[in-house]
Amino acid sequence: GQNIDQPTEMTATEGAIVQINCTYQTSGFNGLFWYQQHAGEAPTFLSYNVLDGLEEKGRFSSFLSRSKGYSYLLLKELQMKDSASYLCAVRDQGGSYIPTFGRGTSLIVHP
Amino acid sequence: DAGVTQSPTHLIKTRGQQVTLRCSPISGHKSVSWYQQVLGQGPQFIFQYYEKEERGRGNFPDRFSARQFPNYSSELNVNALLLGDSALYLCASSQGTGGADTQYFGPGTRLTVL
Repeated sequence: GQNIDQPTEMTATEGAIVQINCTYQTSGFNGLFWYQQHAGEAPTFLSYNVLDGLEEKGRFSSFLSRSKGYSYLLLKELQMKDSASYLCAVRDQGGSYIPTFGRGTSLIVHP
Repeated sequence: DAGVTQSPTHLIKTRGQQVTLRCSPISGHKSVSWYQQVLGQGPQFIFQYYEKEERGRGNFPDRFSARQFPNYSSELNVNALLLGDSALYLCASSQGTGGADTQYFGPGTRLTVL
């Protein structure tokens, strides 16, 4: 099984930088995903990390350390529209490669 | 290209009834997965299908069943509805089921059981 832990809620100011952490425990590891989900909508794919290091994609970056079972999503130049839930999902080495989702971090961006 | 589509958008049922939810994957995607998401939680895996065969099943009772058609669309059926089945049901498609395959989600079906 897997255990995924994220903070429940975070707040930040428009224009600032915020880091959302995700820790996980898994019997095997085969990738970590970050998704953004606005209230009442479907999750939208943000990033995928399978090797250690930082993946940068515009204002969003994702980091992975497999030895520490740790990832973070970094959001720069925050905008009001970034207010959403951010889901961390881990895929293990089981045959079906099905990701297990954390509970999500609700990010509130205020002016 | 169209993304993942789901129907209906919203649904209201009463306890004991049965419901069928539908999903059409992104063109070229052969795998469909179903998730249940209750408020304040992450999506919980229900089923995965690939090439019409069940590839994975989550920890859900036998009241939940699904199938995939030759055109890769899928249906999720839930029998004998309970109040606790009220949730957002998400369908996700991917090209395959391999390690590098990313799942893309549809808009979901909001099911309310009264």
